[in-house]
Amino acid sequence: QVKLLQSGAALVKPGASVKMSCKASGYTFTDYWVSWVKQSHGKSLEWIGEIYPNSGATNFNEKFKGKATLTVDKSTSTAYMELSRLTSEDSAIYYCTPTYGLRGDMGWFAYWGQGTLVTVSS
Amino acid sequence: DIVMTQSPSSLAVSAGETVTINCKSSQSLLYSGNQKNYLAWYQQKPGQSPKLLIYWASTRQSGVPDRFIGSGSGTDFTLTISSVQAEDLAIYYCQQYYDTPPTFGGGTKLELK
Repeated sequence: QVKLLQSGAALVKPGASVKMSCKASGYTFTDYWVSWVKQSHGKSLEWIGEIYPNSGATNFNEKFKGKATLTVDKSTSTAYMELSRLTSEDSAIYYCTPTYGLRGDMGWFAYWGQGTLVTVSS
Repeated sequence: DIVMTQSPSSLAVSAGETVTINCKSSQSLLYSGNQKNYLAWYQQKPGQSPKLLIYWASTRQSGVPDRFIGSGSGTDFTLTISSVQAEDLAIYYCQQYYDTPPTFGGGTKLELK
């Protein structure tokens, strides 16, 4: 079955960067775009961006351009997201999720990682 | 960006009731080329990741109980939960995938009366 195992919680200082991982199994990693979604405490969900593992192509929400960098390691079926110049506004849970639908880069999110909690605090 | 507006923001129910959650999009999610509505519904329980319930506005994800029914077209959509059970208490979100970026509604919290 599809599984997405995300890295553990991180406590980081303001201004620093954090890199989190998402290891996929149970499906062909290179066939599906992988999206990243932000959920601030008690808030709704925001789509950050996505990466196509086969080519490394990315699409971003304008709001997160310059904030998030997406990469993949095809050899280990792992997607990564790095967030830079962190502020308290970046404190949130971040989820990875492959995209399903008629069009590879747009669709619904059938499987989700368990989330990575990022806390930005001095 | 397409704005998704859900109502109500919270709903208190008793077990066995039927509930309706509304989702309105700022532009039509109906694609004329295939007559499909590009809308999904998710359930999120406390401390858990979101779970896909419905896509194409009315297609139930495998394993989702048939008491969850999605309907609507264009800009107005509804998630109906018939005979609510205690395990259904959660926050429900709609999401459009008609245009990028995909966007989510603000959520509807289902609570026990």
